[in-house]
Amino acid sequence: DAKTTQPPSMDCAEGRAANLPCNHSTISGNEYVYWYRQIHSQGPQYIIHGLKNNETNEMASLIITEDRKSSTLILPHATLRDTAVYYCIVGNDYKLSFGAGTTVTVRA
Amino acid sequence: KAGVTQTPRYLIKTRGQQVTLSCSPISGHRSVSWYQQTPGQGLQFLFEYFSETQRNKGNFPGRFSGRQFSNSRSEMNVSTLELGDSALYLCASSLVAGGGANEQFFGPGTRLTVL
Repeated sequence: DAKTTQPPSMDCAEGRAANLPCNHSTISGNEYVYWYRQIHSQGPQYIIHGLKNNETNEMASLIITEDRKSSTLILPHATLRDTAVYYCIVGNDYKLSFGAGTTVTVRA
Repeated sequence: KAGVTQTPRYLIKTRGQQVTLSCSPISGHRSVSWYQQTPGQGLQFLFEYFSETQRNKGNFPGRFSGRQFSNSRSEMNVSTLELGDSALYLCASSLVAGGGANEQFFGPGTRLTVL
């Protein structure tokens, strides 16, 4: 069973930041928050993960609230190639449960 | 470094047949997980292998089985195929077992169609 809640879809203008919310109110203390994305007909691609601190890499930033019940994935400058389904997942082993995700459409 | 490879990429079978799918993880990765993706059920975990041992198993019938070889390559077998087994089967590899702070790298998948 998916342990996360994400909006089903969102649009973003090219060049602008995309902020993707995720609620995970039942997260356990040792569970990580992972973000993956899947471009149509390809395998999911890892984006970023975190436990309690905010994280940043070359693709995105992850902001986790202090109570860890929600997080936000930030794509700083969205491009058309960022159009994909974005999955927020919580867990601490590879028995990950992917929900429906958020379909992000970046528009020119 | 080469990514995760899966063969074949596309497969068509008929009901009652069996099928074997193959996955080669990234060099040095010892954990391999399998997922099934369908439009109705989304992406569901099948099982994870590490050092030739199954570590985790999802809620799938016994018709779905797998194994891992000493070189970390993995195979997944589905026997007595049903129409509902039509799906994209994804393999993911990771450096170590168990998740936690380790990300998984997914292959392109094998598209299985059961007629």
